[in-house]
Amino acid sequence: DTAVSQTPKYLVTQMGNDKSIKCEQNLGHDTMYWYKQDSKKFLKIMFSYNNKELIINETVPNRFSPKSPDKAHLNLHINSLELGDSAVYFCASSLSPSTDTQYFGPGTRLTVL
Amino acid sequence: AQSVTQLDSHVSVSEGTPVLLRCNYSSSYSPSLFWYVQHPNKGLQLLLKYTSAATLVKGINGFEAEFKKSETSFHLTKPSAHMSDAAEYFCVVSDLVGANNLFFGTGTRLTVIP
Repeated sequence: DTAVSQTPKYLVTQMGNDKSIKCEQNLGHDTMYWYKQDSKKFLKIMFSYNNKELIINETVPNRFSPKSPDKAHLNLHINSLELGDSAVYFCASSLSPSTDTQYFGPGTRLTVL
Repeated sequence: AQSVTQLDSHVSVSEGTPVLLRCNYSSSYSPSLFWYVQHPNKGLQLLLKYTSAATLVKGINGFEAEFKKSETSFHLTKPSAHMSDAAEYFCVVSDLVGANNLFFGTGTRLTVIP
């Protein structure tokens, strides 16, 4: 019955590597999001997609590239990982861009060594 | 522009005593406001939300929050703390201008002492 799921839950990798985090929602929502939670627990939006189209792109390095193969999936690919990328990444979804309630995944803890 | 200020980074209460987590917001429009909870090593769970209906909002697990426009506040309360309430709590304001966007506060860690 998982609503928003993310894989992997934990990801440990070396600097310079390329990695992906996957997100899937089975709620039938049109809109999906990626957030980054830093070491001080502050959450900041990175991207938002509506029906596979990008609608929000905050100031994020272009090493981060979201991909939405269909509206139920929003994957996050990160190239040339840096130490500062270490964080917890949360995926979320909402019914539409104008629906304010978002449902969050369990998070992916990324550690870059 | 929207923003949220959580006045306390850490609150500690004894089990069975009241909980008060403070939140002030800034919004140019009629905001939607939320409280989310994050238990250790868990994802974010919606506790309650305010969307311009009743100013006193009841959420899950006995929590409630009151929207006070004159004070631009949305404080979270619970009459009696339980050990399981120990977690990080985030006050959030929604920007519905253009695409949806949630603005998170910096969080308040609630510790419950037995």
